[in-house]
Amino acid sequence: EVQLVQSGTEVKKPGESLKISCKASGYTFNRYWIGWVRQRPGKGLEWMGIVYPEISETRYSPSFQGHVTVSVDNSNRTAFLQWSGLQASDSAIYYCARVEDGFNSRTSHWGHGTLVTVSS
Amino acid sequence: QSVLTQPPSVSAAPGQTVTISCSGSDSNIGALFVSWYQQFPGAAPKLLIYENNKRPSGIPDRFSGSKSGTSATLAITGLQTGDEADYYCETWDTSLRGGPAVFGGGTHLTVL
Repeated sequence: EVQLVQSGTEVKKPGESLKISCKASGYTFNRYWIGWVRQRPGKGLEWMGIVYPEISETRYSPSFQGHVTVSVDNSNRTAFLQWSGLQASDSAIYYCARVEDGFNSRTSHWGHGTLVTVSS
Repeated sequence: QSVLTQPPSVSAAPGQTVTISCSGSDSNIGALFVSWYQQFPGAAPKLLIYENNKRPSGIPDRFSGSKSGTSATLAITGLQTGDEADYYCETWDTSLRGGPAVFGGGTHLTVL
C-alpha cells in the first residue's frame, strides 16, 4: 500500500526558514514524480513543484519558482519542501502528492497535509 | 487565477444529477488528460476520475467524466448528502515545460 506520511504542524515567524518532509512507502520511490500542493485557508489547490527522485530533476509552477525548493533524499525515501524566508502569505496546508505516470498523468496518492502558520 | 475555470458553486437535491464544468484551452484540456478530485473539509483530496473518464477502483459509477474540445465535465448522478464537498479538475499544460499540473479553482457542491 502506497503511503505518504508528512511531518507535523509548524508555527513560524516571518523571515524564518522551514523544511517540511514527506516520507514515502509501499512503492519504488525513485521512479515516480512526487511534489507539493498548497491550499491556503478557504482556497483551492495549487501545484507548487515536483521532483523525479532518480535524477533529482525538479519542475516548478511559475508562481512558485524561486520562492521554494523541492528536493528528495532517496536513501530515506523522503521528499522535502523548503523556504528560506517565510512570509505570512505562506500560511497554508501543504500536501505531498505522487504523480502516477509522469507528464499528463493523474495525482494518485496524497499525504494527509502539513499545516504551516506564519505569524509574528 | 487558475488557467482552468470552474463554477464556484453548484447545488442540487438528493437523487438528482449535477454537472460541474472545467474550461481550459488548447494547450491544456484540449491536448491532455483531465482528472477530477473530491475534497471534504479537513481532508486530503481524493482521485475520482482520471484520463477524462476512467474511475479508480472503489469509485461508484455515479461519478463520470467527459471531455469535449477545451472543456471537461464531471457528472454525479443519484446525488447523496455525502457527496457534498469541493471538486477540482486537474490537467497539465504544454506551455509549462513538463509540469507540474494545474488545478481548476474548485467547485463547492451543495446537496440541498
